[in-house]
Amino acid sequence: QSALTQPASVSGSPGQSITISCTGTSSDIGNYKYVSWYQQHPGKAPKLIIYEVSNRPSGVSSRFSASKSGNTASLTISGLQAEDDADYYCTSYAGGFVPFVFGAGTKVTVL
Amino acid sequence: EVQVVESGGDSVQPGGSLRLSCTTSGFMFSNFWMHWTRQVPGKGLEHVSRINSEGSIITYADSVKGRFTVSRDNAKDTLYVQMNSLRAEDTAVYYCGRGGVYNYGSIDVWGQGTLVTVSS
Repeated sequence: QSALTQPASVSGSPGQSITISCTGTSSDIGNYKYVSWYQQHPGKAPKLIIYEVSNRPSGVSSRFSASKSGNTASLTISGLQAEDDADYYCTSYAGGFVPFVFGAGTKVTVL
Repeated sequence: EVQVVESGGDSVQPGGSLRLSCTTSGFMFSNFWMHWTRQVPGKGLEHVSRINSEGSIITYADSVKGRFTVSRDNAKDTLYVQMNSLRAEDTAVYYCGRGGVYNYGSIDVWGQGTLVTVSS
């Protein structure tokens, strides 16, 4: 599977909304509804925050929302808070038993 | 409580071997795909491998294919990765994670990670 492309960094002020993109191909994001997003704080394990394109696991804030259009998936964080300062990674199923690939990650900075 | 806990991380010389374990609790281990993911300190996540519930289907990243072997013991609720011919670039924190019941499932439970250092 080809790598998924994410912006290296995104920043915003508290209370603002930001969006992180994740661009794949018609073989992964464009063809399946199995896009996931993970949040990782420094020194901590990743945490699943979005599965199957737009679903939030129990306990994840409703300020996190996600969608996809064509070959690009997007994660939006609304009402940005200091605790959202973290790295965010996307992945997508690519069919059969193709190895999973993470995006390179996006560093979100809350100004 | 659903938990996965990695162990076995250590410092090893290039060319050496190491086996990591991931002990699980709080869920029906034998029903789930399981994953290994690694992270070089300060870098991004790299998916290493995933294994189906029966242990009959395993995928590997190209970077470890032929050197790493993933297995599971459903009687012991434990996941393993045998790492041979280790290289400096295998230095990373290795995370165990629970996948879904299906092949395409997300990794919804992560361990705290175990550090593998490959250095002479």
